Amino acid sequence: GAGVSQSPSNKVTEKGKDVELRCDPISGHTALYWYRQSLGQGLEFLIYFQGNSAPDKSGLPSDRFSAERTGGSVSTLTIQRTQQEDSAVYLCASSLAQMGPKFFGPGTRLTVL
Amino acid sequence: GENVEQHPSTLSVQEGDSAVIKCTYSDSASNYFPWYKQELGKRPQLIIDIRSNVGEKKDQRIAVTLNKTAKHFSLHITETQPEDSAVYFCAASQGGGNYGGSQGNLIFGKGTKLSVKP
Repeated sequence: GAGVSQSPSNKVTEKGKDVELRCDPISGHTALYWYRQSLGQGLEFLIYFQGNSAPDKSGLPSDRFSAERTGGSVSTLTIQRTQQEDSAVYLCASSLAQMGPKFFGPGTRLTVL
Repeated sequence: GENVEQHPSTLSVQEGDSAVIKCTYSDSASNYFPWYKQELGKRPQLIIDIRSNVGEKKDQRIAVTLNKTAKHFSLHITETQPEDSAVYFCAASQGGGNYGGSQGNLIFGKGTKLSVKP
């Protein structure tokens, strides 16, 4: 079956612009996660959705970052007024249940000029 | 919150040798410990995981051990091959019981770059 997909694969934007990144989880997966990976670095947790529960937003680095998940499936990560330090690969992952293995999407490489 | 430390940051071994990567975690409530392999420019791939009700798990050339008392877990790769070269990440999370909040979220170590020399 299809894995986690993300779009766009690459995004180049100018400082100060807003961007939207999309994640399509594996069908039926109730848990969805966003991570950020800067060049050569580890995975930094951003936000986590589980079913209908309130999302865990504890990893969002600033109020310029927000995310939503519509209908318990597709998720959009929005970064407002982008800064150069926002440049990174943004990875989405999903799992069948809270305790299940997490599967990653291919990521969106964001470059802020 | 949970904090995961991973060592070493880089590891170079000769083909055929074993490689060991170690991680420690801080939150005694964590009960799920996966390992991911990330090749250059690709997504992290789950290679093995272990839950806190077992002490060791093996899958062909890779094995993971868990010491709950000491709060550390390790990845062991035997008979390494050049295609094992990648960055390996450990992670820890809570997962059972309540939903929502931080439970179920994975906290990652900073990664180990493994190079296997032919």
